[in-house]
Amino acid sequence: QKEVEQNSGPLSVPEGAIASLNCTYSDRGSQSFFWYRQYSGKSPELIMSIYSNGDKEDGRFTAQLNKASQYVSLLIRDSQPSDSATYLCAVNTEGTYKYIFGTGTRLKVLA
Amino acid sequence: SAVISQKPSRDICQRGTSLTIQCQVDSQVTMMFWYRQQPGQSLTLIATANQGSEATYESGFVIDKFPISRPNLTFSTLTVSNMSPEDSSIYLCSAWDREETQYFGPGTRLLVL
Repeated sequence: QKEVEQNSGPLSVPEGAIASLNCTYSDRGSQSFFWYRQYSGKSPELIMSIYSNGDKEDGRFTAQLNKASQYVSLLIRDSQPSDSATYLCAVNTEGTYKYIFGTGTRLKVLA
Repeated sequence: SAVISQKPSRDICQRGTSLTIQCQVDSQVTMMFWYRQQPGQSLTLIATANQGSEATYESGFVIDKFPISRPNLTFSTLTVSNMSPEDSSIYLCSAWDREETQYFGPGTRLLVL
């Protein structure tokens, strides 16, 4: 059974701090990794994708991938109250169409 | 990216009835999917909607309960049949763009009484 694990939270950080969200996966054949943000009552919105080891930065967001340790993380710098949402990690294995989603981490940014 | 619309956005239905949800993508896409998200839970894949052929269902989901159509590369429907309160959920349509990145529609909130 391929799994994606996330801490459900809530993770509370003060405004302006760095929020660090972590995700581990079980399938070593995983090739593509995604972070989705989901506001309450809304559908998931893609915010980052990463495919190779290392860091990928996009504005205030940095995705980090370590395939040897089978984890992927998302850092949110200068966290804002508007970042408060559930963040879903998703993993895809090359050659398959299925994304495996984690259960999500609820982030609360305190003003 | 792919822009996806769904309708209805929400509905309240009686037990034993059926509801058909429509999904429209703004461009031709190869892969379309249907997910369910129950309150406080993550996403569960129901099936892959295949253009011109029967959908591919995941374990625990069957065609009689969730018939799916996909007549072309931009449109799909999911029917929730013979509904019970346990079917109350958010149903999400998704599609891959050309880079095989998955995007989601706004979802359909279903409440079965």
